[in-house]
Amino acid sequence: SAVISQKPSRDICQRGTSLTIQCQVDSQVTMMFWYRQQPGQSLTLIATANQGSEATYESGFVIDKFPISRPNLTFSTLTVSNMSPEDSSIYLCSVEGTSGRPSTDTQYFGPGTRLTVL
Amino acid sequence: GENVEQHPSTLSVQEGDSAVIKCTYSDSASNYFPWYKQELGKRPQLIIDIRSNVGEKKDQRIAVTLNKTAKHFSLHITETQPEDSAVYFCAATPTFGNEKLTFGTGTRLTIIP
Repeated sequence: SAVISQKPSRDICQRGTSLTIQCQVDSQVTMMFWYRQQPGQSLTLIATANQGSEATYESGFVIDKFPISRPNLTFSTLTVSNMSPEDSSIYLCSVEGTSGRPSTDTQYFGPGTRLTVL
Repeated sequence: GENVEQHPSTLSVQEGDSAVIKCTYSDSASNYFPWYKQELGKRPQLIIDIRSNVGEKKDQRIAVTLNKTAKHFSLHITETQPEDSAVYFCAATPTFGNEKLTFGTGTRLTIIP
């Protein structure tokens, strides 16, 4: 499977500020996703990052709060804007369709970014 | 949309015994069912998956069974070891080409030495 990295691995931020999280894959992938995992909880899909077009957001998540970019087939960013303590969570990217093969539904996760908002 | 329920939320078993985690899904169009293992502070890792054209799949001590009629699938871990202790998540995806995964709520498995 592809090697997936995220930056930063963790951060502590002040409320009202924004943080951009990067997700880098070592090979081209078809699909990239962003998830949130609150402490002790399951994974919730924020959005699908579409290459060259606007991301597709899930119910409860909006572009103004979580702008996403995907300039190419190996890289995506998620910004958490105007943060509040409720945004404290782990943010994970995942990828699908590695090694140039058509999508196989199998998703692999990055290591995650642990965000704490004070 | 798809809804995935997972039981139990916590499970403790003696080392060497078997563990079974069950999930049910709501969308009959779902056709791909992965299981992820997440150790503390780590990323979710895919451990096994099954597609709707098979009823069972095994990989060493891990097996997954699928009952499409009843819309449920289960993870079976035999001869459990301390390193099996983790949180396990099931997931389902509604339709081929729509790759959004819906996750279950997770099961915290503890293996008692």
